[in-house]
Amino acid sequence: ETGVTQSPTHLIKTRGQQVTLRCSSQSGHNTVSWYQQALGQGPQFIFQYYREEENGRGNFPPRFSGLQFPNYSSELNVNALELDDSALYLCASSVDRGGTDTQYFGPGTRLTVL
Amino acid sequence: AQRVTQPEKLLSVFKGAPVELKCNYSYSGSPELFWYVQYSRQRLQLLLRHISRESIKGFTADLNKGETSFHLKKPFAQEEDSAMYYCALLNQAGTALIFGKGTTLSVSS
Repeated sequence: ETGVTQSPTHLIKTRGQQVTLRCSSQSGHNTVSWYQQALGQGPQFIFQYYREEENGRGNFPPRFSGLQFPNYSSELNVNALELDDSALYLCASSVDRGGTDTQYFGPGTRLTVL
Repeated sequence: AQRVTQPEKLLSVFKGAPVELKCNYSYSGSPELFWYVQYSRQRLQLLLRHISRESIKGFTADLNKGETSFHLKKPFAQEEDSAMYYCALLNQAGTALIFGKGTTLSVSS
C-alpha cells in the first residue's frame, strides 16, 4: 500500500509569483485535506476535497485554491505569494470525508517565499 | 470558538519517569479529540483518538469534559518516545482537524 506522497519536497519562490503543490492520496482514499504549518505552529486547515468537490475551507484567502482529480490526487495553488506564505504545506488523505476517519499525512512541501 | 491549547512547548523527562502532555480545548458540544505524533524525520501520524479508548505504545488519554482537557499520559517514558506531540480537535463541520502548537517531548537516559 502506497502512502501519501507530495511534490516537490522543497520550493523557493519570490513574492508575487504563483505556486502549485501536488499530492497523491493513499490508495483507496477519496478525500484530501491541505494544511499549512508555519514555523513553531501546529498545522492549520486550508481546505478539503471530497470526490473532486471542495468540502470545507479554513480561514484562508481566495488566492489559495485547489483541485482534486478523478484519481483523487490533488493540487494546491497559491497566487500572488506573500512572505507569510512561507511554511510547510501538508496534505492528508482519508478513506472518506467523515471526520472520524483517520487522516494520513504526507511528508510535506517546504515553501520559501523571498 | 474552537481551539486547542498545549501550554508546554518542551517537556524533558528521564527514562522511566511518568509523562503527562497537557491539552486543553474549547468546543461546544461533544468533542472528537486526537493525539498526533511526529518522530524525527518522519511524517505526522495518528497516535490515538479518544473514541477508540485504546492504548498505543503505552500512551493513554482521557477526555475530561469538566476540565475540557485531553491530557496524554504514559507511566514510564522510553527514549524512543522523544518526538513532537500535537493535540487535535475535529471541527464542528467534521471536516478539519484543529491542532495545538505542539509539545516537544525529550526523554533522556
